[in-house]
Amino acid sequence: DAKTTQPTSMDCAEGRAANLPCNHSTISGNEYVYWYRQIHSQGPQYIIHGLKNNETNEMASLIITEDRKSSTLILPHATLRDTAVYYCIVAGNNRKLIWGLGTSLAVNP
Amino acid sequence: DGGITQSPKYLFRKEGQNVTLSCEQNLNHDAMYWYRQDPGQGLRLIYYSQIVNDFQKGDIAEGYSVSREKKESFPLTVTSAQKNPTAFYLCASRVTGNSNQPQHFGDGTRLSIL
Repeated sequence: DAKTTQPTSMDCAEGRAANLPCNHSTISGNEYVYWYRQIHSQGPQYIIHGLKNNETNEMASLIITEDRKSSTLILPHATLRDTAVYYCIVAGNNRKLIWGLGTSLAVNP
Repeated sequence: DGGITQSPKYLFRKEGQNVTLSCEQNLNHDAMYWYRQDPGQGLRLIYYSQIVNDFQKGDIAEGYSVSREKKESFPLTVTSAQKNPTAFYLCASRVTGNSNQPQHFGDGTRLSIL
């Protein structure tokens, strides 16, 4: 499974868009990009996933570059409750998720 | 509500004692997973099961055991052979029919050694 690279930490002002980048340059053709977040002392929460097209749901948007080597998770209007560690994971049909250290996002008032 | 229930939320173990962590799901998911998370680290896979009465070792299975007698339940036993059991344990499940469906997680059990 491909591994990912994310910034260690990011800050965002409340009400502004949070754009979280992820590099996955060794991604294979059948691997999906998944995003989860984890608020302190809770289980990871699934946010969104995609293969090659951009995706949007009620929580976020996922933008995947045409070469699929990187992606960006967008939280359109960040709130204080979005403060969490965000994990970008790529996984294929064997379904093993390899978890890195993620990006610690701080949303500031 | 549908979801994954882990119990207890906090658990304390004495030296040399086995303890069992419960994971129950009512999502009708076929696959279930156990992860361990240490402070400041990502999740590591302990065991997983794709179907009832079958399970496979993950990356750090030593000192742990599981069973999968029912679709809804996937208990994890932390044995006395696990020398560093203090961690946050997370259970997940997912649908297997569509290979790209995500795993969904419970709220975890925090295990500490007395």
